[in-house]
Amino acid sequence: QKEVEQDPGPLSVPEGAIVSLNCTYSNSAFQYFMWYRQYSRKGPELLMYTYSSGNKEDGRFTAQVDKSSKYISLFIRDSQPSDSATYLCAMSGLSGSGNTGKLIFGQGTTLQVKP
Amino acid sequence: NAGVMQNPRHLVRRRGQEARLRCSPMKGHSHVYWYRQLPEEGLKFMVYLQKENIIDESGMPKERFSAEFPKEGPSILRIQQVVRGDSAAYFCASSPGPGETQYFGPGTRLLVL
Repeated sequence: QKEVEQDPGPLSVPEGAIVSLNCTYSNSAFQYFMWYRQYSRKGPELLMYTYSSGNKEDGRFTAQVDKSSKYISLFIRDSQPSDSATYLCAMSGLSGSGNTGKLIFGQGTTLQVKP
Repeated sequence: NAGVMQNPRHLVRRRGQEARLRCSPMKGHSHVYWYRQLPEEGLKFMVYLQKENIIDESGMPKERFSAEFPKEGPSILRIQQVVRGDSAAYFCASSPGPGETQYFGPGTRLLVL
């Protein structure tokens, strides 16, 4: 079983739709949760960074973390064709020797927003 | 403020050759991470370095792969005697400290013929 599970999609929605992306994980030591966006043949770009449980909002993007269920989500409101990309969840946590910060990624979900 | 820089962006090698990938972190960042992305897969952690030190190499293959981050100059990921299975995109990320936000470079796409 992978430490982080993410449905690879692809997910296709019409412009203006609300998009819900999510990941589940198995390691309860994870404390830091991130969402990255990756356009084709580009490097990942950080979208959201959350520590522990709770919600965080930034413009059209909302990140949610539910540590009790080991489940994180990213919501995109009023989706645009420019949001078409692969969305990667990532997480890290404390190890026995401190937080090295290495990220464990999900497989990524490919999103297509159709005009 | 320039972001993370990687070169070359594309690298073609024949089986058995050596590949050297370079990464210059963001200004003020002294922590570098290397990740590998195979086709249709997410990024996999390889190694974490600070200046002149390897902190965590738990994701590095046991043979042929090595990494360094010298006091001066970029971090280098070196793959000796490349095989076709090494074909992938290699990404470098940097952060100002451990556990802090990592910013990724554009990647080096390695193709082994």
